[in-house]
Amino acid sequence: DAKTTQPPSMDCAEGRAANLPCNHSTISGNEYVYWYRQIHSQGPQYIIHGLKNNETNEMASLIITEDRKSSTLILPHATLRDTAVYYCIVSPTPSGSARQLTFGSGTQLTVLP
Amino acid sequence: EAGVAQSPRYKIIEKRQSVAFWCNPISGHATLYWYQQILGQGPKLLIQFQNNGVVDDSQLPKDRFSAERLKGVDSTLKIQPAKLEDSAVYLCASSFIGQGSDEQFFGPGTRLTVL
Repeated sequence: DAKTTQPPSMDCAEGRAANLPCNHSTISGNEYVYWYRQIHSQGPQYIIHGLKNNETNEMASLIITEDRKSSTLILPHATLRDTAVYYCIVSPTPSGSARQLTFGSGTQLTVLP
Repeated sequence: EAGVAQSPRYKIIEKRQSVAFWCNPISGHATLYWYQQILGQGPKLLIQFQNNGVVDDSQLPKDRFSAERLKGVDSTLKIQPAKLEDSAVYLCASSFIGQGSDEQFFGPGTRLTVL
């Protein structure tokens, strides 16, 4: 069962910020929020992750609400190459082995020229 | 740094035939994953290896699917016999335990069509 809820699709104008929401109301204290994206005909690609603080890297920013029940991935200046399916995943910190990811259906982001 | 390699990229077989997929993870990555992605859905984990041992194969249909990772490097996923519902993209991923992000690196996938 997916632990996250995302809109199935969104559009964004090229050059504008893309804000992708994710609800994870049942998240527990040791679960991180991960974002991956999958461009057509490619494997998924890691974007960013966080526990409770906002995070930023060269690709995106992640805003997590104070109660941790939802988050938003922000692509500050979307380009046509950002058109992809974006997956929000909550994942517990594993003990003694590598992390597992449970993918939902994601959000299809289409960046329009 | 070379990425995760998979072969073949495409495979078409008839139902009840057998098929095998190969994966070469990123050098030094102890953990290897196989996922199945049916059209329109997110990837579903089939099996997770750590070195050459199985960590989790709870979602692997063991009556027809098998996987091995000899010597803790390359891995092979086999389907025998294939069914129509096995048509999907099979993704391999690897990760390095201890890296801060626990990032999984995915290969390009093998697209299987069962006729």
